[in-house]
Amino acid sequence: EVQLVESGGGLVQPGGSLRLSCAASGFTFSNYEMNWVRQAPGKGLEWVSYISRSGSSKYYADSVKGRLTTSRDNAKNSLFLQMDSLRAEDTAVYYCAGQYMVRGVIINDYWGQGTLVTVSS
Amino acid sequence: EIVLTQSPATLSLSPGERATLCCRASQSVSSYLDWYQQKPGQAPRLLIYDASNRATGIPARFSGSGSGTDFTLTISSLEPEDFAVYYCQQRSNWPRTFGQGTKVEIK
Repeated sequence: EVQLVESGGGLVQPGGSLRLSCAASGFTFSNYEMNWVRQAPGKGLEWVSYISRSGSSKYYADSVKGRLTTSRDNAKNSLFLQMDSLRAEDTAVYYCAGQYMVRGVIINDYWGQGTLVTVSS
Repeated sequence: EIVLTQSPATLSLSPGERATLCCRASQSVSSYLDWYQQKPGQAPRLLIYDASNRATGIPARFSGSGSGTDFTLTISSLEPEDFAVYYCQQRSNWPRTFGQGTKVEIK
């Protein structure tokens, strides 16, 4: 069974840090390009970050650049999001999502169920 | 950053009716435009990629069209499970961006 399971969310004070994890199973994680997407309560989807299959390429939304860092460990089938200098506007459900692409064609697209991050004093 | 504008914000229709959702990009995204469906409490699900290709397992009643700046998602005959929020996303440029969503609700 294909699974992406996020963990590490919770309540954190403004200016604080949090590290999210996403554990993959049921598919070849190293073949998948990975993204973090977030959704503030009652709002729409916001793309946060991307990491290539090898981890050599990374991209970020302007709103998180310099504060959030994505990484992966293919040996442990895991994706991470290090969140520093957190702000109230970072409060959201964070989803990890993976895509398997061959010559630009999306073969598979998987999403986790999300983990809630609340930034509040 | 490419801005995606979806219309209408809300679509009120009955089961069996045809739904037409629009997504306009602030600059050309070629055909790198995807559509997602999200139901309450669930993660998004990919419906259409590259403007017109149905993702694995997506019913034929869902179709996508368009290129450049104007795109359409059509649901030919709404089933009860299709009432949800739909988002477009562009994969042409970094940063990736989503539209604000269209809610398809039961009339």
